[in-house]
Amino acid sequence: GAVVSQHPSWVICKSGTSVKIECRSLDFQATTMFWYRQFPKQSLMLMATSNEGSKATYEQGVEKDKFLINHASLTLSTLTVTSAHPEDSSFYICSARLGPGLDTQYFGPGTRLTVL
Amino acid sequence: DAKTTQPTSMDCAEGRAANLPCNHSTISGNEYVYWYRQIHSQGPQYIIHGLKNNETNEMASLIITEDRKSSTLILPHATLRDTAVYYCIVHTGTASKLTFGTGTRLQVTL
Repeated sequence: GAVVSQHPSWVICKSGTSVKIECRSLDFQATTMFWYRQFPKQSLMLMATSNEGSKATYEQGVEKDKFLINHASLTLSTLTVTSAHPEDSSFYICSARLGPGLDTQYFGPGTRLTVL
Repeated sequence: DAKTTQPTSMDCAEGRAANLPCNHSTISGNEYVYWYRQIHSQGPQYIIHGLKNNETNEMASLIITEDRKSSTLILPHATLRDTAVYYCIVHTGTASKLTFGTGTRLQVTL
């Protein structure tokens, strides 16, 4: 199946700093990418939908100025957590859709962010 | 999208079939039943989906009741590597977003 990668796989940062997470579709072009966040023992929560060349659509309650999403190409989307705080510590997962069907949506391995 | 109800957790002995139920009594005629799983600290993985007929692939079988109000995901010979959270999602399958419920935590034991 298609492969989605994330970098880094884990990151530790100090409170107040910004962290960038990359999501790449390695062997296909994805017009739509999605960003999810998952706290321990909880389900995945959709944060935003990212379309190549346009502004991301954020879910209710997600601060767009704090979680900056850029989808500059058909194979790369980035999530920047600005001025990170300990409560932003979480598992961030991206997903890329190859075609119109859900069975063509592939998930990355996730990035674990720890803010000290 | 219709809401689903799944048991919080299940256990299964290795080598036995794991049968994971899902209730979706408000499913619409154009909604599919999708199953994903998430192994600990990994991204979700697509397993299978169906509309009204039973489906089988190399990973699992999906049995959908005739009234489509419930379904069962069957892992025919569970292994320790099948330990994961399994999510049942009903969705039209088109370009709209995919959201997850709480899923069933399957523990496969020796």
